[in-house]
Amino acid sequence: EAQVTQNPRYLITVTGKKLTVTCSQNMNHEYMSWYRQDPGLGLRQIYYSMNVEVTDKGDVPEGYKVSRKEKRNFPLILESPSPNQTSLYFCASSLTSGSHNEQFFGPGTRLTVL
Amino acid sequence: GQNIDQPTEMTATEGAIVQINCTYQTSGFNGLFWYQQHAGEAPTFLSYNVLDGLEEKGRFSSFLSRSKGYSYLLLKELQMKDSASYLCAVRGGSYIPTFGRGTSLIVHP
Repeated sequence: EAQVTQNPRYLITVTGKKLTVTCSQNMNHEYMSWYRQDPGLGLRQIYYSMNVEVTDKGDVPEGYKVSRKEKRNFPLILESPSPNQTSLYFCASSLTSGSHNEQFFGPGTRLTVL
Repeated sequence: GQNIDQPTEMTATEGAIVQINCTYQTSGFNGLFWYQQHAGEAPTFLSYNVLDGLEEKGRFSSFLSRSKGYSYLLLKELQMKDSASYLCAVRGGSYIPTFGRGTSLIVHP
């Protein structure tokens, strides 16, 4: 089944404890991205990747890191999480960044930082 | 920068028709998407417009006017399961999509 998977789905952690949220897609998509979704603010892009080893900042990159060593994986790293990073996070992928290619979203990761 | 506006919330009656508007201001334009998102779930793709006019897909249609920076999503024969948030996303000159804040649609019997 073609899909985007994220792990974990739920995470409660404490300030300063490094964490990684994994994202994987099995559709051979070139473009992948991370969003956070907060009430009243909608989906905001954190980082995106056009292809392997190519990543760039989105609208709200502060406090996050990403890597794209393989085409299928795009992990999101929070080196020192803070309470303002409590949010619902979505990973998404599309065939390429151009044309009519819609994004396919993972199921989401609900993160709480205490 | 990019600016995308949608109404925050709309209500409609089962069986009726509802139109959700989206206005945008972008640097360049490479397409507009509509996504549906049920509470607690991931967004799912509904439609894509890049040329002016109406795209119809079953009960859902989407319209685009590039000169006016305007789109709408039309939902016909509303069903209770259509209660969800509807997200407008615009792909600007950089090809990176920017999402509006979404419109929460409540369908009541």
